[in-house]
Amino acid sequence: AQSVTQPDIHITVSEGASLELRCNYSYGATPYLFWYVQSPGQGLQLLLKYFSGDTLVQGIKGFEAEFKRSQSSFNLRKPSVHWSDAAEYFCAVDAAGNKLTFGGGTRVLVKP
Amino acid sequence: GAGVSQSPRYKVAKRGQDVALRCDPISGHVSLFWYQQALGQGPEFLTYFQNEAQLDKSGLPSDRFFAERPEGSVSTLKIQRTQQEDSAVYLCASSPDRVFGEQYFGPGTRLTVT
Repeated sequence: AQSVTQPDIHITVSEGASLELRCNYSYGATPYLFWYVQSPGQGLQLLLKYFSGDTLVQGIKGFEAEFKRSQSSFNLRKPSVHWSDAAEYFCAVDAAGNKLTFGGGTRVLVKP
Repeated sequence: GAGVSQSPRYKVAKRGQDVALRCDPISGHVSLFWYQQALGQGPEFLTYFQNEAQLDKSGLPSDRFFAERPEGSVSTLKIQRTQQEDSAVYLCASSPDRVFGEQYFGPGTRLTVT
């Protein structure tokens, strides 16, 4: 079955430290890949997306993600986190062109 | 410009009541999506419209759930005879593209069934 896995439910990181969130997908072909962020009471905001081409994609708020076909992964990174990055992050894939399948999310806590 | 809006933002319903959730997509967006997000989980796809045509309703959990977009803009998700398991946040998203487009999400409607 097609699926998206985010292995880490919670991650705690100190302000200024680097962050990496993992995402693995299980699909027959390379789907379109997305990372969204959700702050409390807010809708989902798109951080970045991968459709094709360069496997390292840059997004908003200083985030980047790397697509690795051999590992079926699309991990999200940020070199230095800010307190405002505390939120829930969702990896999502679109394999059929008409709906997103989301992972379970990773909640990021930022320590001062 | 205005984003996707949803109303009401919060809804409390007694078990067995019918509810209607509204989504106003970004003007001109062709595609509209509904997702259900249970507490502590990622959103799950419910249904998809392209203009007024409902092209995919495979995610609707039961025949108590019904969605419409009669004029290709505003959409309503209706849940009949609500059950406790229907408690969730219902997210609406719209996209300017017919396929593989970026989806813009609304703030959601939090439904609590008591």
